[in-house]
Amino acid sequence: GAVVSQHPSWVICKSGTSVKIECRSLDFQATTMFWYRQFPKQSLMLMATSNEGSKATYEQGVEKDKFLINHASLTLSTLTVTSAHPEDSSFYICSVQVHNEQFFGPGTRLTVL
Amino acid sequence: KNQVEQSPQSLIILEGKNCTLQCNYTVSPFSNLRWYKQDTGRGPVSLTIMTFSENTKSNGRYTATLDADTKQSSLHITASQLSDSASYICVVSPREYGNKLVFGAGTILRVKS
Repeated sequence: GAVVSQHPSWVICKSGTSVKIECRSLDFQATTMFWYRQFPKQSLMLMATSNEGSKATYEQGVEKDKFLINHASLTLSTLTVTSAHPEDSSFYICSVQVHNEQFFGPGTRLTVL
Repeated sequence: KNQVEQSPQSLIILEGKNCTLQCNYTVSPFSNLRWYKQDTGRGPVSLTIMTFSENTKSNGRYTATLDADTKQSSLHITASQLSDSASYICVVSPREYGNKLVFGAGTILRVKS
């Protein structure tokens, strides 16, 4: 399987600021990565599909201008939460597609004050 | 509508006991069905993955079954350990969705001594 890391593991920021979350595929060149959001006691919700070298594909209801995704290399995708607000506080998880499996990162806990 | 429903919502068992978690899905056709374990504050980790033609798949103390006729899957955990305390998520990959996944809400298992 693929080893996926995320940085930071947790972040606290003030309302109105932007936060960047990194997702790295450590041992696999990933043309496709996924970004999920998970609220407490709920399951993962797909936000967007990150494609290396092209624009991300966003799920319905997810604002592309608020959640900026950049997949500039085969091992790195970044999610930037712009002008964060308390309702953006959540657990953000990325995953890497390897053949017919997805391998998930450890997640990033975002708290917006 | 593609849905995955899990039961029970939560479960408490004594260390050393066995338990079975249920998953009912309406996704059809699908490429594969997966069970993930998610520890609190961590990303999901794959336990088993089965194609529609497989009936059972084991991974150590975890055994997943699949009945494509009734659209049900189960995850059986034998000789539970305290470290098994986690959320167990049933995930189905609809064939029409490509790499996108449909997640169940998960069963929260607590193993106590």
